[in-house]
Amino acid sequence: DGGITQSPKYLFRKEGQNVTLSCEQNLNHDAMYWYRQDPGQGLRLIYYSQIVNDFQKGDIAEGYSVSREKKESFPLTVTSAQKNPTAFYLCASSTTTGRSYGYTFGSGTRLTVV
Amino acid sequence: SQQGEEDPQALSIQEGENATMNCSYKTSINNLQWYRQNSGRGLVHLILIRSNEREKHSGRLRVTLDTSKKSSSLLITASRAADTASYFCATDYTGANNLFFGTGTRLTVIP
Repeated sequence: DGGITQSPKYLFRKEGQNVTLSCEQNLNHDAMYWYRQDPGQGLRLIYYSQIVNDFQKGDIAEGYSVSREKKESFPLTVTSAQKNPTAFYLCASSTTTGRSYGYTFGSGTRLTVV
Repeated sequence: SQQGEEDPQALSIQEGENATMNCSYKTSINNLQWYRQNSGRGLVHLILIRSNEREKHSGRLRVTLDTSKKSSSLLITASRAADTASYFCATDYTGANNLFFGTGTRLTVIP
């Protein structure tokens, strides 16, 4: 079955530590996205990529980094510069013109600072 | 911010009743989409309405779009307990490279 897989489901980060969230899709989608969701709130865009080896900052990119070396993979690193990283992180993908067909989302990673 | 606004923020109804939630947005759009999110899960695409459409149906879902008022509504008819979830609108603004999601409506359907 085609889909988008996020791992791990739960992640704990110590102060000053970098952590990487994985996002893999086998839908042959060109575009991939990372969103952050805080409790009771909507989704805010962190980064997005429309093609391999290219990505763009979203509304809240500070303290985060991404790479897009393969079409299938779009990992997100939460760096120590992100002062309030506790949140639910969602990865999504779409065809290049897929905003006209909707996004496919992963099941999310819940990150907690300990 | 281009983030849309939804109301109500929370809605509680009895099973079998209809649920209506609204979304307002900021500027001209190519299309507007509705998504559902169960607690602690990812979002699932429900329905898309294009800017030149006024109404669209899918099963128990009915979506309307009023571009003059920059608003949309999602109606869920004959609600079921399994419809309990958060519902988000997402706008594909003209000239943008990604969708902008609203703040969501938390729907609770009481059996």
